[in-house]
Amino acid sequence: AQRVTQPEKLLSVFKGAPVELKCNYSYSGSPELFWYVQYSRQRLQLLLRHISRESIKGFTADLNKGETSFHLKKPFAQEEDSAMYYCALSISGAGSYQLTFGKGTKLSVIP
Amino acid sequence: GAGVSQSPSNKVTEKGKDVELRCDPISGHTALYWYRQRLGQGLEFLIYFQGNSAPDKSGLPSDRFSAERTGESVSTLTIQRTQQEDSAVYLCASSSRTGVGEQYFGPGTRLTVT
Repeated sequence: AQRVTQPEKLLSVFKGAPVELKCNYSYSGSPELFWYVQYSRQRLQLLLRHISRESIKGFTADLNKGETSFHLKKPFAQEEDSAMYYCALSISGAGSYQLTFGKGTKLSVIP
Repeated sequence: GAGVSQSPSNKVTEKGKDVELRCDPISGHTALYWYRQRLGQGLEFLIYFQGNSAPDKSGLPSDRFSAERTGESVSTLTIQRTQQEDSAVYLCASSSRTGVGEQYFGPGTRLTVT
């Protein structure tokens, strides 16, 4: 069965510092990877997906199939980046495309 | 337009009682998902509906859990004979199509079983 691992429960960085949220997955095929974010008192929302290869709010994530990783990076953290971040995986061809989530990393950006 | 809505936002119930949670997806979205999030955990998939196709129930943890959806409209998740381990936030999401697409989440229902 597929699995998503986010090794850090909490990550604290200073404003302006680089940030990297780690995500590793286990699946023998070719999954689709996503990052979802939940800001305080807001609902869970999509931040970015690997197939789009785009930068959203300064964040990027590259799928590394060799290392089975999909780390989320931003060169200069901002206070408004403080939130819960969830890495998620979807298997194409599985029928329902449900998402398998990691446990999440709480990012705290210190002013 | 309105996003995914869920009701109630909070539900406290006694162990052994039945509860019903409601989800209103975004209009026109054919796919609907239910997830559960226990404290400190990631989201767990429960069930998926796609149009009039048979639902994917592979994530339901026990036969106490069931869900219905009529066509592409409202869905209800029912938990019978609630147990304390059912305490969690139940999230609903909808999507405009199956495949690799964005799932839009509701605000969730926080269920507490005492």
